Amino acid sequence: AQSVSQHNHHVILSEAASLELGCNYSYGGTVNLFWYVQYPGQHLQLLLKYFSGDPLVKGIKGFEAEFIKSKFSFNLRKPSVQWSDTAEYFCAVSFYGGSQGNLIFGKGTKLSVKP
Amino acid sequence: EAGVTQSPTHLIKTRGQQVTLRCSPISGHTSVYWYQQALGLGLQFLLWYDEGEERNRGNFPPRFSGRQFPNYSSELNVNALELEDSALYLCASSEDRDYGYTFGSGTRLTVV
Repeated sequence: AQSVSQHNHHVILSEAASLELGCNYSYGGTVNLFWYVQYPGQHLQLLLKYFSGDPLVKGIKGFEAEFIKSKFSFNLRKPSVQWSDTAEYFCAVSFYGGSQGNLIFGKGTKLSVKP
Repeated sequence: EAGVTQSPTHLIKTRGQQVTLRCSPISGHTSVYWYQQALGLGLQFLLWYDEGEERNRGNFPPRFSGRQFPNYSSELNVNALELEDSALYLCASSEDRDYGYTFGSGTRLTVV
């Protein structure tokens, strides 16, 4: 079965530190990849998405992600985090044309940024 | 453009009761998806509706059901509520399932 793994459950960083959150998926076919963010008390928002083309994708608020097909990975990065980045981050994968017809989410990574 | 709207925002129910949650998708979106977000479990896929038909369901018992209306709005029904049904229920809509979803703010269900 297709699955999405986020290896870090909770990450704690100080402001200005660099961030990298891991995401791996299990599927050899074509995928569309997403990162969503859920700020405290708010709904899920799309940070960035990858469909095709340049594997380095830039999203909102200075986030970027790199698709490495050979590693089945789509890691999220930010060079310098801010306190306002404190949130839960979800990686999601759409297995293109798959019968499930839905996004499969990882379990999420909670990011806490200390001021 | 109005986003995905869900009602009610909060709900408290007793074990064994039934509940109906509602979702209105973004105008023009024909697909509606329901997810359960329980503490520590991430988002678990519940149901997918498109053009009024149930297209797929996740690994949930039959007491979780729903429907989609001709205007593409949707209901999620949960019968015989159990304590572990306490969660945030999220609705999302999309124009095309492969291009990502827009989520609503969710309905927080507490079963006591």
